[in-house]
Amino acid sequence: GAGVSQSPRYKVTKRGQDVALRCDPISGHVSLYWYRQALGQGPEFLTYFNYEAQQDKSGLPNDRFSAERPEGSISTLTIQRTEQRDSAMYRCASSPTRDRAGGELFFGEGSRLTVL
Amino acid sequence: DQQVKQNSPSLSVQEGRISILNCDYTNSMFDYFLWYKKYPAEGPTFLISISSIKDKNEDGRFTVFLNKSAKHLSLHIVPSQPGDSAVYFCAASARSGGSNYKLTFGKGTLLTVNP
Repeated sequence: GAGVSQSPRYKVTKRGQDVALRCDPISGHVSLYWYRQALGQGPEFLTYFNYEAQQDKSGLPNDRFSAERPEGSISTLTIQRTEQRDSAMYRCASSPTRDRAGGELFFGEGSRLTVL
Repeated sequence: DQQVKQNSPSLSVQEGRISILNCDYTNSMFDYFLWYKKYPAEGPTFLISISSIKDKNEDGRFTVFLNKSAKHLSLHIVPSQPGDSAVYFCAASARSGGSNYKLTFGKGTLLTVNP
């Protein structure tokens, strides 16, 4: 497709389980971002890649969260030992240039995670 | 600590009238500002941006005004159309501060344009 694709769109899991959320950015986009959006809030930065290199992971809440982009295209955000507070919409965005300074990010539809 | 604040959760206007969405920020390092629009079940889409070296940027029916001394920006939509009904997010970044890729978002304002 032409846009940023995320899967699964919806994920319900039990507390303590691991989840993996996938992002397929727009073809050729260099930069890829993960954001998390709680209900009634704006998106909150988690981490960011240029090509396959993770440039900044300062927004990841704790060490249960990790992300990778091994071939500089598809990215996976993994949450280990999920907790109820991890429930949120996880949004991926991509950008055609590196370090697109506050510029236009193309967001996917998001993956809604519910932890029971 | 909300660095980008949208104090109006919702706004309702009549079709054809002006919509004014407001945003305040606290971080003086922010030097680039954006508005994103979000329809239900979709991701946010970029609408318009402004650099801190400007005080106004216009794109068709959309104009963003920046008042740096007040740390305030606003989005004007004229004339408003029912298709403009969406959640509008204000976002900011600090391009010269080494974290130029991070966008800090407000909580959003739900705009409803009534026919």
